[in-house]
Amino acid sequence: ETGVTQTPRHLVMGMTNKKSLKCEQHLGHNAMYWYKQSAKKPLELMFVYSLEERVENNSVPSRFSPECPNSSHLFLHLHTLQPEDSALYLCASSQEGPLGGSLETQYFGPGTRLLVL
Amino acid sequence: QKEVEQNSGPLSVPEGAIASLNCTYSDRGSQSFFWYRQYSGKSPELIMFIYSNGDKEDGRFTAQLNKASQYVSLLIRDSQPSDSATYLCAAGGANQAGTALIFGKGTTLSVSS
Repeated sequence: ETGVTQTPRHLVMGMTNKKSLKCEQHLGHNAMYWYKQSAKKPLELMFVYSLEERVENNSVPSRFSPECPNSSHLFLHLHTLQPEDSALYLCASSQEGPLGGSLETQYFGPGTRLLVL
Repeated sequence: QKEVEQNSGPLSVPEGAIASLNCTYSDRGSQSFFWYRQYSGKSPELIMFIYSNGDKEDGRFTAQLNKASQYVSLLIRDSQPSDSATYLCAAGGANQAGTALIFGKGTTLSVSS
């Protein structure tokens, strides 16, 4: 495996289900990100783990819960989602410098297309 | 509120023409700028990045940066139908851990054969 991989690629879930999205980066990077992409909207940053710090985006509902067990793996746990949460969920990684920040290129995974019924 | 603005398009050009995509950003502290291409249903892929004022060329692509005007552009020479996609402009680099790229909504380019 190379680059950034995501599983599953497609997911259909009911509003009462619990599921998890998985991301793995094989680039040796030290920062990983979850983005949400809805139709006609810009990419929205959800969470970032950078230099082993988690930076929360307070606008993300608590029904989304990230987990980063190590620098190569990132999860997004989903529970009691709403139909408006249907979107493409993208994971990305980058190599940040000693002071952090997004100076370096972010590489994206293929995304998980999520449909909430 | 940090923002990156792009015209949503669609921008339509004939095959072989030059396509010009523009982007402005609000955060003067931004230091790095990226152009990503995204085909429908696919994830964004990096086209070019630029850090310094001026032009940067890579094959048929030229990125231009003017920090005084807070303006970034992407020129695509000899446009091909395969260039038809949405182009995302992004700005970043605040030397603070956890700051991610700010993306524009993207400009849809259509190249007709």
